[in-house]
Order: sequence, then structure tokens, then C-alpha cells
Amino acid sequence: KQEVTQIPAALSVPEGENLVLNCSFTDSAIYNLQWFRQDPGKGLTSLLLIQSSQREQTSGRLNASLDKSSGRSTLYIAASQPGDSATYLCAVRRGGFKTIFGAGTRLFVKA
Amino acid sequence: ETGVTQTPRHLVMGMTNKKSLKCEQHLGHNAMYWYKQSAKKPLELMFVYSLEERVENNSVPSRFSPECPNSSHLFLHLHTLQPEDSALYLCASSQDLREVHYEQYFGPGTRLTVT
Repeated sequence: KQEVTQIPAALSVPEGENLVLNCSFTDSAIYNLQWFRQDPGKGLTSLLLIQSSQREQTSGRLNASLDKSSGRSTLYIAASQPGDSATYLCAVRRGGFKTIFGAGTRLFVKA
Repeated sequence: ETGVTQTPRHLVMGMTNKKSLKCEQHLGHNAMYWYKQSAKKPLELMFVYSLEERVENNSVPSRFSPECPNSSHLFLHLHTLQPEDSALYLCASSQDLREVHYEQYFGPGTRLTVT
């Protein structure tokens, strides 16, 4: 059974700091991994999608990496801003149409 | 309207009521999904539709009944719900179910409270 774990559960950093969010999964036979952002009480915004054949994806200040063999993905946020404060979720797609989500990392960036 | 929209945004219903949640996607996608997000739990996939055909039912109780009349619209019909069904219900869509086109786009959700 695929399990997705995100560490840390919560993180508070000062503005301008570079930070790394971690996602681990137990079954390396995945099709892709997607990172999302969720603001309180809102839906999810897709940030980056990494296919199983890819090692990383970049969008602006965000960089996501994927290491299938070790069951890990990281989301790197450069020069963090207060507007980055949100919950960040990773989701793994495996066989069939199931997408398994982690519980998320709550990020607070202090001005 | 752009992206994925959901109505209503908030819903309070009694356990004997019948209500429906509506989702509409304006992205030309062929696949649509219902998810449940309960407090302090990861998102749970409920249903997946591809070209109006249900392809995944993730052991959801029969008091939740999905309907997909066309590839742009998805409904979730609710009846005789329980208080533990209170949650944020999220709709999503993707271009199709093939790997390279699987990036999911989410609506804002419906906050459901069952009293």
C-alpha cells in the first residue's frame, strides 16, 4: 500500500530564507508526482508535476526534484516571501487512477 | 469563468436532507474527480470519471452518488449524510488519464457541514 509522508508538518521561517520541503513515498512504482499549494479553506493550486522519467522541474523560485529509487521528492523554495505562506501538498500517482496525497507541510514566512 | 468552478461554496444540511454539489470545468478536459478533505487528514480520492464514464469508485458509501452528464460537468448527490461527512469537497479535472496529461487542476471546494 502506497503511503506518502511529508516532513516537517509545519515550518516557520523569516522572509528571504531558502527552504526545502520533503515528501517520501513507500512504493517507487509511481507514474508521476505533483506538488500543490493550498491556502486556508481554499482549493489546491498546482505548482509542479514531475513525470516518473524526469528528475526535476522548475518554475520561478520553485524547484522540485524526484528520486524514485529512494522514494523521495523535495520542493525547494528560494528567497521565501510572506505570500508563500500556505500548506504545501505532494501527491503521488500510482497504478490505476489513484492519487495518494501527503498530509502537507504548513509553511509560515514571517515578514 | 475560467478553470474549475464549484457551487455552492458553503453548504449546511441536516442528516435527512438531499442536496447536490456541482462542479464545472472550462479547460476542455476529459477526466474529472471528486475528493474529500477532512480536518487533519490527507485528501481522499472518491470518484474518477473519464469521458463521462466512472472508472474509479474508492469504496465510497452509497449516500454519495456521483453523476457526470458530460465531460464539463460533475455532480455529487448527497442524501442521509452523517456528521462525520462534514468536510471540504474538492473537484478536479485533468486533460485525460494518460500519464503525461494527468496534471490535475482543482476547484475552490464546497465546505459541507452536516448537522
